[in-house]
Amino acid sequence: EDQVTQSPEALRLQEGESSSLNCSYTVSGLRGLFWYRQDPGKGPEFLFTLYSAGEEKEKERLKATLTKKESFLHITAPKPEDSATYLCAVLNDYKLSFGAGTTVTVRA
Amino acid sequence: DTGVSQDPRHKITKRGQNVTFRCDPISEHNRLYWYRQTLGQGPEFLTYFQNEAQLEKSRLLSDRFSAERPKGSFSTLEIQRTEQGDSAMYLCASSYGGPNQPQHFGDGTRLSIL
Repeated sequence: EDQVTQSPEALRLQEGESSSLNCSYTVSGLRGLFWYRQDPGKGPEFLFTLYSAGEEKEKERLKATLTKKESFLHITAPKPEDSATYLCAVLNDYKLSFGAGTTVTVRA
Repeated sequence: DTGVSQDPRHKITKRGQNVTFRCDPISEHNRLYWYRQTLGQGPEFLTYFQNEAQLEKSRLLSDRFSAERPKGSFSTLEIQRTEQGDSAMYLCASSYGGPNQPQHFGDGTRLSIL
């Protein structure tokens, strides 16, 4: 069965303090790794898809990378509006298996 | 692109009652998914439609749960004889094209069982 583990569970950052979130996975056949952002009371918002080891994607202050066993979401010089829960998920066939998320709080 | 729409946003009901949720996917999205999310956890897959055909149901989906997608457009998720353990956020997502395309989520229906 697919397993996705995210660490840390929570991350408190000062504005401008860069950091990385980890997503470790085991899946029988990876068809894609997805990163989502979720704000309280809202549904997950799609950020990135990574399909193969070595692939990288960037969007504003976020950069996602992928290896054969894990993915990292790097947050560079975060701002308070980057505060959210970040979820990663692996795609097996057509369904997503999610980790529990990392809740990021950025203080001004 | 108006996004995935879910209704109602919140539902409070007594244990034993039946509830029905509606999901309107992004226009022309052929794939539709239902997930359930509890506090502090990521979403868990419930069921999947390609057009109007329901192709898989998770073992989480007991016989009290039923989902439909008539004519391959909107979808409904019904829970009969609700139980305390059904309290959760029910999320709908849709995607277009192949199964490895991003799934776009609505803001969910939060169900509270009294």
